[in-house]
Amino acid sequence: ETGVTQSPTHLIKTRGQQVTLRCSSQSGHNTVSWYQQALGQGPQFIFQYYREEENGRGNFPPRFSGLQFPNYSSELNVNALELDDSALYLCASSLTLMNTEAFFGQGTRLTVV
Amino acid sequence: QQQVKQSPQSLIVQKGGISIINCAYENTAFDYFPWYQQFPGKGPALLIAIRPDVSEKKEGRFTISFNKSAKQFSLHIMDSQPGDSATYFCAASGQGAQKLVFGQGTRLTINP
Repeated sequence: ETGVTQSPTHLIKTRGQQVTLRCSSQSGHNTVSWYQQALGQGPQFIFQYYREEENGRGNFPPRFSGLQFPNYSSELNVNALELDDSALYLCASSLTLMNTEAFFGQGTRLTVV
Repeated sequence: QQQVKQSPQSLIVQKGGISIINCAYENTAFDYFPWYQQFPGKGPALLIAIRPDVSEKKEGRFTISFNKSAKQFSLHIMDSQPGDSATYFCAASGQGAQKLVFGQGTRLTINP
């Protein structure tokens, strides 16, 4: 049990809508990263937050945005959903920014129809 | 280059055999190479990781072999068991354990 929890587990949205996914980091972890995993593919890095500030972003458009709260929980927001956004969204937390293991949650399965 | 290339895409091994999965990278700034195991409906779980200052790391039945000059690393699972059947991902990062670049995954099936 990694202690990283994500909600909801599954979600169905319509193209053009907006979605918010949530992640509760493992206790004491101040760094959280979000990944998108398309079916049959490896996870792709979306962005990372460290102490409430964005600390790096992968090759994703601005309609993917995030927040990290003072308790280090995090949100991923996606606007103007597209069919290709259908994927498993993973949150990973780490004790601190460098040289520590990343613990993944179970993910949120987003389906865009 | 940010890619990590993983092979094979799928692998079938008999119980008790050795499973071998290979990965290659291009970015020489990478300094952390983990392997993750993922079961259906679950998030990836760290199995074992290596840094480029050593050529091999062993933890139980799992061994990483690392070849810095060839920019390749591999996972060996000794005495493979049906419970090892899962998808395995290699990854790499140049920033500790953060901002991981993943391979495409290998679906491993261990036949009883």
